[in-house]
Amino acid sequence: DTEVTQTPKHLVMGMTNKKSLKCEQHMGHRAMYWYKQKAKKPPELMFVYSYEKLSINESVPSRFSPECPNSSLLNLHLHALQPEDSALYLCASSLRALPRNEQFFGPGTRLTVL
Amino acid sequence: GIQVEQSPPDLILQEGANSTLRCNFSDSVNNLQWFHQNPWGQLINLFYIPSGTKQNGRLSATTVATERYSLLYISSSQTTDSGVYFCAFGGSNYKLTFGKGTLLTVNP
Repeated sequence: DTEVTQTPKHLVMGMTNKKSLKCEQHMGHRAMYWYKQKAKKPPELMFVYSYEKLSINESVPSRFSPECPNSSLLNLHLHALQPEDSALYLCASSLRALPRNEQFFGPGTRLTVL
Repeated sequence: GIQVEQSPPDLILQEGANSTLRCNFSDSVNNLQWFHQNPWGQLINLFYIPSGTKQNGRLSATTVATERYSLLYISSSQTTDSGVYFCAFGGSNYKLTFGKGTLLTVNP
């Protein structure tokens, strides 16, 4: 099973709302990633978790708060977002956070901030 | 920083035609992946190919690490091949850097 799942598929939220995105994998991978993709642009890395610990934060604003409660699950908590945060949010996983490890992506959550 | 350049940026084909997409990268490669992003946004893994040649049906890929490029070949293209093709490069760390993509349109 090489599947990464993400929920919800779509999310519309106001600037004062708090919401969460969820990502799950059952491949035994110990590295999980959040990417952000704006329209007509490539994905950009936001966060990397390795063995449930945050190892990379690509200078992401604090209104995005990641969480890795266990090795299969990755959350992204959203609070006080701006309209420019509207994008496709992609989760990925790999066996380990090592250079030669293939990354597998979920279907994404399309977020609209009003 | 690391540069990943894809060409061509756009490609329009008739069904049944063949095509070659190119990815140039600026550093020593540890990870090179090709993805197809469908209209719904899903990134589908096509190849993990830091070196050598692989084939999967009508698709094949070659990476020449010493010359810092990778090629994706699509033969007998179908309308379902339409979408954006990304190459993603991994160097000395586990961060993947994506190229800007090639937008492929296959017309019936």
